[in-house]
Amino acid sequence: GAVVSQHPSWVICKSGTSVKIECRSLDFQATTMFWYRQFPKQSLMLMATSNEGSKATYEQGVEKDKFLINHASLTLSTLTVTSAHPEDSSFYICSARASGAETQYFGPGTRLLVL
Amino acid sequence: AQSVTQLDSQVPVFEEAPVELRCNYSSSVSVYLFWYVQYPNQGLQLLLKYLSGSTLVKGINGFEAEFNKSQTSFHLRKPSVHISDTAEYFCAVESSGGSYIPTFGRGTSLIVHP
Repeated sequence: GAVVSQHPSWVICKSGTSVKIECRSLDFQATTMFWYRQFPKQSLMLMATSNEGSKATYEQGVEKDKFLINHASLTLSTLTVTSAHPEDSSFYICSARASGAETQYFGPGTRLLVL
Repeated sequence: AQSVTQLDSQVPVFEEAPVELRCNYSSSVSVYLFWYVQYPNQGLQLLLKYLSGSTLVKGINGFEAEFNKSQTSFHLRKPSVHISDTAEYFCAVESSGGSYIPTFGRGTSLIVHP
């Protein structure tokens, strides 16, 4: 149980375009979802926390207008990178947690390359 | 505030040898502790967790970790590693008060040589 999927797994786009990444909890209801960014050979950097039906809480230094997060249902959260630039190229990982649970489950990640 | 220190960025070891990956944390409140493994180009997989109770925690793939409150440590161990254990390992801490926002260490790269 506790499977989290992400789509797409890889995306290559031109600079200036927007990219949407989906995160789904397949077999549980995720009241909270987290979005992380990971640079090569580095740890995960928390970007934002989203609770179903409410606005996401962004970490300091993360531009909320650039990284739009929507958590419209208990099984789906989306991250949209708007007007992507090469410096946005990274590995984006989501995780999901059920209400009251101590453990979060991670998606397989999405590698974004902006040319 | 809480923090996690993984003292070793890289740990090379021969196959079938024992290994210990070190993790120390600091927190002003009670904590939950986690170890995750990340294979190349994949997300994180939970290896084991300490929430309460027995300080020796057993996880998947033959790994175990021991919570030591006095030393604020949660070191990960395996008595005999395999080539397939080559991966990045992350220690994480959460306050048990319910914020549910983890703090990750910088990771330790375990490299198992034949």
